[in-house]
Amino acid sequence: DQQVKQNSPSLSVQEGRISILNCDYTNSMFDYFLWYKKYPAEGPTFLISISSIKDKNEDGRFTVFLNKSAKHLSLHIVPSQPGDSAVYFCAASAFDDYKLSFGAGTTVTVRA
Amino acid sequence: SQTIHQWPATLVQPVGSPLSLECTVEGTSNPNLYWYRQAAGRGLQLLFYSVGIGQISSEVPQNLSASRPQDRQFILSSKKLLLSDSGFYLCACDTSGRKDNEQFFGPGTRLTVL
Repeated sequence: DQQVKQNSPSLSVQEGRISILNCDYTNSMFDYFLWYKKYPAEGPTFLISISSIKDKNEDGRFTVFLNKSAKHLSLHIVPSQPGDSAVYFCAASAFDDYKLSFGAGTTVTVRA
Repeated sequence: SQTIHQWPATLVQPVGSPLSLECTVEGTSNPNLYWYRQAAGRGLQLLFYSVGIGQISSEVPQNLSASRPQDRQFILSSKKLLLSDSGFYLCACDTSGRKDNEQFFGPGTRLTVL
């Protein structure tokens, strides 16, 4: 059963515009959320995270928003750049659990 | 910081052949170690995780197995590969006690079973 869902398999955005990636989760025990970025034939790299005690975390061009009541989080990339073209995975973990549950990923393509 | 090595980078194996993928970690001690598989068009599926030498937990039933003979070595094996074992295999680690659970990934192994 997929506890973390990324319902949009792909997203195309023009360079300079905002990219918005969405992620939904079902497990109410999740209290930490992460976004990973993955290029083809490479391992994912950590991008940004947020704890459930916050509703927003910002790091440069990347901002993650968390809506606990809706069990929904989103990643905003602004402005989008060609190097942002990659697969983005949403992940979540429950308190005191080592394991991460990953979504299926969203492929972002930034058009020049 | 942690560095994760995986080899081989790519592998083509016939159905029914054995498999051994190796992962080693540098830059940390007593890490939690993970094996993931990314099948074509799908997300990251956790296969095994280990919190210490000789301690392996399996997340999904399959014909794969894992072993951790040393603190920073994690091996993924199979006695007989199936076509469905094809995919991109990723080793990951995190540091015990970290609250943020950030995992670091290796470069991956692309396995094609023919």
